[in-house]
Amino acid sequence: QQPVQSPQAVILREGEDAVINCSSSKALYSVHWYRQKHGEAPVFLMILLKGGEQKGHEKISASFNEKKQQSSLYLTASQLSYSGTYFCGTEIVSNFGNEKLTFGTGTRLTIIP
Amino acid sequence: NAGVTQTPKFQVLKTGQSMTLQCAQDMNHNSMYWYRQDPGMGLRLIYYSASEGTTDKGEVPNGYNVSRLNKREFSLRLESAAPSQTSVYFCASSEYRTVNTEAFFGQGTRLTVV
Repeated sequence: QQPVQSPQAVILREGEDAVINCSSSKALYSVHWYRQKHGEAPVFLMILLKGGEQKGHEKISASFNEKKQQSSLYLTASQLSYSGTYFCGTEIVSNFGNEKLTFGTGTRLTIIP
Repeated sequence: NAGVTQTPKFQVLKTGQSMTLQCAQDMNHNSMYWYRQDPGMGLRLIYYSASEGTTDKGEVPNGYNVSRLNKREFSLRLESAAPSQTSVYFCASSEYRTVNTEAFFGQGTRLTVV
């Protein structure tokens, strides 16, 4: 079952901030965040483990609330290069006891000058 | 560094034809995945393999079969292609139990079924 992302799309002016949310109905082992540019493959941003940690990557950071099965991606002082579609990926336990990486429907971020 | 290699990059099939999408990784990863990407639907998991010889269904497995030939290769087969299978297909790989490790994606196969 896919995690749910919101919003579906965001348009920002350069320098503005954005928050992208990801939630799951199942207990999560971890949350991944990826960014995909048009016509390219998704590229890894960061992983958050259960335990409620927060991570940072340049001006992009994320948090993971294990109890609520939610994660949020924070983009501060956005740059033109941040444009793209952001996906959260969640790991849950499969039938064989192995984790499967399942992605949300994506959030399209457009940064305008 | 090749990473994850998918072939072909583009393919046009007629309804009812069959084909196999190939995927190979050179990072010695245990886990491999096949996803399809359609507008507004995100990345949907078709099949997953935790290790050589094991496969597991994802969210949208109908109409597809997979084969984990060895640790490097994970192929996706369409036995009788349908227009609904028009999509961009991505193969990915990661370490087993992807804690602290990322999934690496191939460049994708754009498949059109007419």
